[in-house]
Amino acid sequence: QSVLTQPPSASATPGQRVTISCSGSSSNIGSNYVYWYQQLPGTAPRLLIYRNDQRPSGVPDRFSGSKSGTSASLAISGLRSEDEADYHCTAWDDSLSARVFGGGTKLTVL
Amino acid sequence: EVQLLESGGGLVQPGGSLRLSCAASGFTFSGCVMNWVRQTPGKGLEWVSSLTSNGHYTYYADSVKGRFTISRDNSKNTLYLQLNSLRAEDTAIYYCAKLSDSSGPTDYWGQGTLVAVSS
Repeated sequence: QSVLTQPPSASATPGQRVTISCSGSSSNIGSNYVYWYQQLPGTAPRLLIYRNDQRPSGVPDRFSGSKSGTSASLAISGLRSEDEADYHCTAWDDSLSARVFGGGTKLTVL
Repeated sequence: EVQLLESGGGLVQPGGSLRLSCAASGFTFSGCVMNWVRQTPGKGLEWVSSLTSNGHYTYYADSVKGRFTISRDNSKNTLYLQLNSLRAEDTAIYYCAKLSDSSGPTDYWGQGTLVAVSS
């Protein structure tokens, strides 16, 4: 049971926009930055979004992050087949003094 | 080029021990908070432990507290994780990582090393 809650799966067709949610609490998302990772099969995670809504250099602007209260979202617009991957959210939790992750969302591009 | 190279994984019996190492290069290792993150095949990521740059402060997930010990040798640019009293549920790929934090986007991961706990 992960501290942050993500839907286990999501799907959309190429060109569409998809949103993945990440729900937490006041001790994690509500008071700390949220980070998003993309993980392709058999590879290590890759940072997509840091500090809630910032993109590292090299990440396409099709990827965007947002946060409101104790929830965060990752949006992917202009979906491509290569976006098919697992997506993970994470934040620091002040109560646990621990970094917490969501359970991950498997995105399928139909 | 940044590299994090983990080693030390393998098959161990329940109750056994292992020591993982992570050799870092290509960045200022001694200035970074370092982490271990694990992933059970086909499942989500689980943060295991963090260690501050000077080695003075450690943080552990409740699931490993009292059994695992994180340490570092900045003179060797190496991070360690001592795993004791291993359980079947500790079976996972263990990643060494410099995670992005409030200071910015710098984020590095190793390729992972597999720890399998089974009799």
